[in-house]
Amino acid sequence: DAEITQSPRHKITETGRQVTLACHQTWNHNNMFWYRQDLGHGLRLIHYSYGVQDTNKGEVSDGYSVSRSNTEDLPLTLESAASSQTSVYFCASKGPNTEAFFGQGTRLTVV
Amino acid sequence: GEDVEQSLFLSVREGDSSVINCTYTDSSSTYLYWYKQEPGAGLQLLTYIFSNMDMKQDQRLTVLLNKKDKHLSLRIADTQTGDSAIYFCAEIPGNQFYFGTGTSLTVIP
Repeated sequence: DAEITQSPRHKITETGRQVTLACHQTWNHNNMFWYRQDLGHGLRLIHYSYGVQDTNKGEVSDGYSVSRSNTEDLPLTLESAASSQTSVYFCASKGPNTEAFFGQGTRLTVV
Repeated sequence: GEDVEQSLFLSVREGDSSVINCTYTDSSSTYLYWYKQEPGAGLQLLTYIFSNMDMKQDQRLTVLLNKKDKHLSLRIADTQTGDSAIYFCAEIPGNQFYFGTGTSLTVIP
């Protein structure tokens, strides 16, 4: 069965370190998204991609970057982790006019 | 971006009906979706409605769509403690998708 997986599920890192969160999908979807979820803010879009070599900024993109070198993966990088980036991160993928499929989330703590 | 709005919290007694409301702005969406997020988990698709429908029923779930007012609702009949979760409505025009802030449903035994 096709799926979308995130790794790691939990991560603790120190302020200032670079961190990369992985997202891998086997749906062969062109569209992939990264969200963060915080109490009182719901899901906020960080970055998204409509295909290989395409990346776009979402509403909370500062301090984050993504790259899309193949269809299956959209890694999210925190260039220099800050305590404000402590959150739960969700990756999602979708086809055109189809439902979105979500990973199980990565809980990131920046200390 | 598009605005999808939901109330943040809802509490109901076990056995009662729950109604979660959502308003959206983009009228080009082909489908409108409800996702459920249980504690510590990702989002799972609960149900959806095609944009040219007014109502869809799926066991205990009823989705109502008022396109004129851009209003979507999810009714859960005979609400159970296992229904306690966060519910997100989403509109998905083309390649993009927009989520509401989520409604946290608490079911009181």
